[in-house]
Amino acid sequence: KQEVTQIPAALSVPEGENLVLNCSFTDSAIYNLQWFRQDPGKGLTSLLLIQSSQREQTSGRLNASLDKSSGRSTLYIAASQPGDSATYLCAALTNAGGTSYGKLTFGQGTILTVHP
Amino acid sequence: NAGVTQTPKFQVLKTGQSMTLQCAQDMNHEYMSWYRQDPGMGLRLIHYSVGAGITDQGEVPNGYNVSRSTTEDFPLRLLSAAPSQTSVYFCASSLTGKYSSNQPQHFGDGTRLSIL
Repeated sequence: KQEVTQIPAALSVPEGENLVLNCSFTDSAIYNLQWFRQDPGKGLTSLLLIQSSQREQTSGRLNASLDKSSGRSTLYIAASQPGDSATYLCAALTNAGGTSYGKLTFGQGTILTVHP
Repeated sequence: NAGVTQTPKFQVLKTGQSMTLQCAQDMNHEYMSWYRQDPGMGLRLIHYSVGAGITDQGEVPNGYNVSRSTTEDFPLRLLSAAPSQTSVYFCASSLTGKYSSNQPQHFGDGTRLSIL
């Protein structure tokens, strides 16, 4: 059974800092790794999706890397801003029990606070 | 551009009552799913559907029913509400649920449900 863990559970940084959020997964047979952002009282917004054949993906100030062999992904946020404050979740897509469909397993998230 | 729409946003029920959480998407997505989000547990998959007329169980299906009569709608039914079902429920959709597609999931804003 796939298990996804995110460290740290919470992080508080001053504005302008570069930071790294960590995600680890137990089953390396993943098809992709997805990073989401969740604002309070809202749903999840997809940030980046890294396919199993890729090593990293970038979008603006965000860069996500994937190392399947070690079961790890990191989300790097450059020059953090107060507007980046949110919960960040990672999710690993694996095969849903012998079908051609995938199943997402989520980590518990990292609560990020960026203070001015 | 509505995306994934969930209703209601908030609901309070008494133990034993039944209700239906509504989910609709306007993106012609094949795959739809329901998650519940609980503190310390992350998001857990309840049920999913890979197309109209096709549904399957996720990780925590007990106490919930689903059906998919149209591509757009995927309601979640609580037959006899229990306090353990107090949670935030999210509906999500993607173009296809096939793991080879590498399509991100789109989430609604959630339904906050309290069972007294």
